Parts: sequence; structure tokens; C-alpha cells
Amino acid sequence: NAGVTQTPKFQVLKTGQSMTLQCAQDMNHNSMYWYRQDPGMGLRLIYYSASEGTTDKGEVPNGYNVSRLNKREFSLRLESAAPSQTSVYFCASSEALLGTNEQFFGPGTRLTVL
Amino acid sequence: GEDVEQSLFLSVREGDSSVINCTYTDSSSTYLYWYKQEPGAGLQLLTYIFSNMDMKQDQRLTVLLNKKDKHLSLRIADTQTGDSAIYFCAESAPNNAGNMLTFGGGTRLMVKP
Repeated sequence: NAGVTQTPKFQVLKTGQSMTLQCAQDMNHNSMYWYRQDPGMGLRLIYYSASEGTTDKGEVPNGYNVSRLNKREFSLRLESAAPSQTSVYFCASSEALLGTNEQFFGPGTRLTVL
Repeated sequence: GEDVEQSLFLSVREGDSSVINCTYTDSSSTYLYWYKQEPGAGLQLLTYIFSNMDMKQDQRLTVLLNKKDKHLSLRIADTQTGDSAIYFCAESAPNNAGNMLTFGGGTRLMVKP
């Protein structure tokens, strides 16, 4: 099992460019999450998908959109990138219905917006 | 929103014990977690504790939970250089939208040889 995979690993964008971050999990989890990590601020939830076909805003959704393409895949799109979106982005998945809500994380995408 | 707070840095010598502390505000937290992040990698779950427990031990790791004071700690015995990483405390509560986790800012543990 690969667990949670993310592409790309690194990306540099110019202000105003768009891009999509891809995430896939092979653990048959219902729930998937997108977080951003900034120094000293821990991880902040951008969007989540509690189950296939549903998506909801997290703590910091502005400037992002998501698509839960199927049970395995959950993508994050930046329509018009801004320097404030320079961050490390993590995708995670969990089988929340089982109680402990252990979340499994991908290796991250390091995004720089110039 | 609910808060989870940790100190930013901890430095210890190899072989000593490390204690990383965390405070949280959500009294309805059901599970509390410790995640480890090594340089350039994602987060990996180290251990978790259910809110009706006071302590959990797992090899070199001991988690203590003081629910009254909303204080969680992670003790690493016989700390090794391979334990150098950022450690995140997180909590899960029934009223968290989508069963999301609320993370602290992370404590960077530096282990000196």
C-alpha cells in the first residue's frame, strides 16, 4: 500500500497563475482533508471531504477550491495564486467512523508563489 | 475556535528524557494525539490517548493527560538523535466539523549528541 500520495512534491508559481494539487489514497478511507502548514502555526484545515460526493470549508478556505473526484482522489485548486499561499500543503485521509479518527498524511507539496 | 498550544523549541542531550507539553481549550475533546514530523516529510502518528484515560505508555513514550487542566504531555525516555523532529499535539472533538483535528503549532525537539 502506498498510503497517501501527493503530486507534485515542489512547485513554483508566479502571482496569478493557477494550479491543481493532486492527492490519492489507497486505504479505502471515507474522509479526506487538505491542510496548509506555515512556520509556528501548525496545520490549518483548508477544506475537507467527509465522504465521496461532499466537500466543506475548513478554517482557511479563501483562494482555494476542491474536488472529490472519487473515493480515492481529492484535489486542491488555486485559481489565482498569491504570495500569501506560499506554504507546505498536506493531504490526509481517515476512516473517521471507526472512532479514533487517526489521520494518515501524505509527504506534502512545497509551493512557492513569487 | 478552539486552541491547542505548545512551546516552540526543546533541546535535550542524547540519553536524557524529553517532555513536550501541550494545552488545549476544548473540554469536549475525545481523542488527543501526538504526531511526529521529520524534516521534509509528512506527519506520522506516534500515539494517541482517549479522553477518559490519564496515562498511556508505549515503549519509550509516555502520554499523560490532565483533563481538569486540559494539559497533555509526551515524555520520550532515553532520547536519541533520531528523535529530533517537530512534534505536534492535536485534538479531536465531536463538534469538530468533519471530524477535523485541531493542531498545535508544533514543538521542535533538538537532540544533542
